[in-house]
Amino acid sequence: EAGVAQSPRYKIIEKRQSVAFWCNPISGHATLYWYQQILGQGPKLLIQFQNNGVVDDSQLPKDRFSAERLKGVDSTLKIQPAKLEDSAVYLCASSADMNTEAFFGQGTRLTVV
Amino acid sequence: AQSVTQLGSHVSVSEGALVLLRCNYSSSVPPYLFWYVQYPNQGLQLLLKYTSAATLVKGINGFEAEFKKSETSFHLTKPSAHMSDAAEYFCAVREDSSYKLIFGSGTRLLVRP
Repeated sequence: EAGVAQSPRYKIIEKRQSVAFWCNPISGHATLYWYQQILGQGPKLLIQFQNNGVVDDSQLPKDRFSAERLKGVDSTLKIQPAKLEDSAVYLCASSADMNTEAFFGQGTRLTVV
Repeated sequence: AQSVTQLGSHVSVSEGALVLLRCNYSSSVPPYLFWYVQYPNQGLQLLLKYTSAATLVKGINGFEAEFKKSETSFHLTKPSAHMSDAAEYFCAVREDSSYKLIFGSGTRLLVRP
């Protein structure tokens, strides 16, 4: 069974530029999560989708971050414009539903210079 | 709000020695608790989870954790450390209200030959 796929693995951008990350969850998984992991900290949930609807985006900085999951399958997380403090690993995870184990992708490491 | 605290950002043990990684939780309701492992440049992998079925939970790779309500703890142990256990370990609690995971700040395990 294929795992959660994320791309790109690494990205370096200058501050004020835009960037997008892509996530393809495990086939059939209804729930998709985006986490932000700043160096030295545990992951923090940014947004949670159930199919193509948002369940929780309370910690998403909506002035610069956006995410979508239009067809209820893959998802895109965008940052526009990026700030230095956005440097982190962005992890995508998926689960069959909200009550089952979440499986994580390898993450995208973003460096903002 | 629920939270977890991991004591010790770094733990160093000799190969073959006991591994003990500490996690204390704060929750007003019976919690769902998890331990995840993260190898360098990898995503998170579930080691084990507590869902109130049994207080001693066995996981993968020889790890286990014991839920102690009186101490609000969920410490992770392994009788004999192996070099391959060197990684970062995260304790997490699930917020029932929103089904999202709240992670601790992590403990980096170093295994000395």
